[in-house]
Amino acid sequence: EAQVTQNPRYLITVTGKKLTVTCSQNMNHEYMSWYRQDPGLGLRQIYYSMNVEVTDKGDVPEGYKVSRKEKRNFPLILESPSPNQTSLYFCASSLPGRSPLHFGNGTRLTVT
Amino acid sequence: GDSVTQMEGPVTLSEEAFLTINCTYTATGYPSLFWYVQYPGEGLQLLLKATKADDKGSNKGFEATYRKETTSFHLEKGSVQVSDSAVYFCALSPSWGKFQFGAGTQVVVTP
Repeated sequence: EAQVTQNPRYLITVTGKKLTVTCSQNMNHEYMSWYRQDPGLGLRQIYYSMNVEVTDKGDVPEGYKVSRKEKRNFPLILESPSPNQTSLYFCASSLPGRSPLHFGNGTRLTVT
Repeated sequence: GDSVTQMEGPVTLSEEAFLTINCTYTATGYPSLFWYVQYPGEGLQLLLKATKADDKGSNKGFEATYRKETTSFHLEKGSVQVSDSAVYFCALSPSWGKFQFGAGTQVVVTP
């Protein structure tokens, strides 16, 4: 089954403790991206990647890191999480061009 | 910069009522436009899309027409069902890799 898989689904952590949210897709998509969803703000793009070893900042990249060492994986790294990063995070992938996005089921992160 | 504005919700309707969700955008050039739907506890799913002016996207009884003159992409459905209860997002892609989403509109359909 074609899908985007995020882990974990839920994560509660404390300020400053480094964490990684994993994202994997099995559709051989070149493009992958991360979004955060907050009430009243919709989805905001954090980082995106056009292909392996090619990443770029979205609208809200501060406090986040990404890497794209393999085509199927695109982990999101929070080196020193803060409470304002409490949010619902989505990973997505797509084919080249302005193709529709395929989303994972989300990771709900709480930073205390 | 590019942006999407959609009507605030929640929108509450009775089953079989007509649904309209307004969406307007600001963008340079010719973006692609999308409607996504999010059911509780799930990620967003593509509902329909349009890639150029006057294109009409349609799926599952939903329709939206790309209106460049009014910079709009309103979503409509003639007869909603309880199963249409969800959050609907309007989005645009001005270029490859860049997406802008609206704030989302919650739709609640009652029997």
